[in-house]
Amino acid sequence: LAKTTQPISMDSYEGQEVNITCSHNNIATNDYITWYQQFPSQGPRFIIQGYKTKVTNEVASLFIPADRKSSTLSLPRVSLSDTAVYYCLLLDTGRRALTFGSGTRLQVQP
Amino acid sequence: NAGVTQTPKFRILKIGQSMTLQCTQDMNHNYMYWYRQDPGMGLKLIYYSVGAGITDKGEVPNGYNVSRSTTEDFPLRLELAAPSQTSVYFCASGSVPGAGGTGELFFGEGSRLTVL
Repeated sequence: LAKTTQPISMDSYEGQEVNITCSHNNIATNDYITWYQQFPSQGPRFIIQGYKTKVTNEVASLFIPADRKSSTLSLPRVSLSDTAVYYCLLLDTGRRALTFGSGTRLQVQP
Repeated sequence: NAGVTQTPKFRILKIGQSMTLQCTQDMNHNYMYWYRQDPGMGLKLIYYSVGAGITDKGEVPNGYNVSRSTTEDFPLRLELAAPSQTSVYFCASGSVPGAGGTGELFFGEGSRLTVL
């Protein structure tokens, strides 16, 4: 299974844009890149998904370069409630398995 | 909307006991997953299923068993509980892109298991 690598933690302040980068050098042709958010004592929640170029929804943007070996989750104007763990994972459409890495712990301060 | 329902939410087991964690989804998803999450760590895939009658091992299957007799239910069985199985267990269901779905996983609220 293709693995992902993310920074262990990041700090930010309210109102700033936060960019979290994920490396996935061995991404397969059929893999989709997916990001989840997890608050303490809750299950992860889907944020955004993409295959290539840029995807944007109401909460985040996902930037994927042409070689797809990395991706960047962008959170515009974060607030205290964005403090959470963010996971990048690859949706292996061939085998249907979904494995989570260690995630990035984002701490937003006032 | 019920979504993914897990029971029980909390359970304390003695070493060597067995139990089943129940998971039910009402979204007609073909794909279902069981994860465990130890304190401060990421989620580890235990077992997954791509449809009724089909299951496959994930990263940490030892000590667990699953079955998938219906689309809705995906129970996780712990045989001979050990302290190392103390964890929070999450069940999830979803679809995959290209199969008429979005690929989004929906998670249950989790089952906190302690083995003493």
